[in-house]
Amino acid sequence: DAGITQSPRHKVTETGTPVTLRCHQTENHRYMYWYRQDPGHGLRLIHYSYGVKDTDKGEVSDGYSVSRSKTEDFLLTLESATSSQTSVYFCAISDSRNTGELFFGEGSRLTVL
Amino acid sequence: GIQVEQSPPDLILQEGANSTLRCNFSDSVNNLQWFHQNPWGQLINLFYIPSGTKQNGRLSATTVATERYSLLYISSSQTTDSGVYFCAVPRGGSNYKLTFGKGTLLTVNP
Repeated sequence: DAGITQSPRHKVTETGTPVTLRCHQTENHRYMYWYRQDPGHGLRLIHYSYGVKDTDKGEVSDGYSVSRSKTEDFLLTLESATSSQTSVYFCAISDSRNTGELFFGEGSRLTVL
Repeated sequence: GIQVEQSPPDLILQEGANSTLRCNFSDSVNNLQWFHQNPWGQLINLFYIPSGTKQNGRLSATTVATERYSLLYISSSQTTDSGVYFCAVPRGGSNYKLTFGKGTLLTVNP
């Protein structure tokens, strides 16, 4: 199994509060990703990173920011959470072979009340 | 953007049966991946298969890139095979931005 740890695994918060989800990998892979999974929409890419301090937007990036100060950590921040951001968030990693083969973390369930 | 369609949307099997899941995509791609999401929500990488056939135990996958489809075969199914199977292909020419299909929900009954 790929060494990917997400924290927290479950979080309940209120509208308007900031939330940060953390993804930690032990594989030393260059690429890291944040996806969200919602009924009816499937898995959608929020942001990804192709190296330390190098990030790019995915298809549903509005309302989210990311940071990557170390190879092993990729943070997803909701500056002011909204109910539409209630979702299951998955971190994923891929190596540098330019294949994009993905390995996922366990997921973080976020509920915004 | 690229469209990904999976069929069937739902499939119910008895333990021991074989099945074939299909993934059609609307544009040429240079890679395709299959994933299994188990009932506990874990997403597991099954195959990275841009073309040809690969096998892993009771599972095998074939991608015919020129005809824009991939097939996932499950033989002698077990209850632990239950879950949702997704295929994913690159979007916009980037291997790092994937479009996922909506999945096939497989239920294997004992």
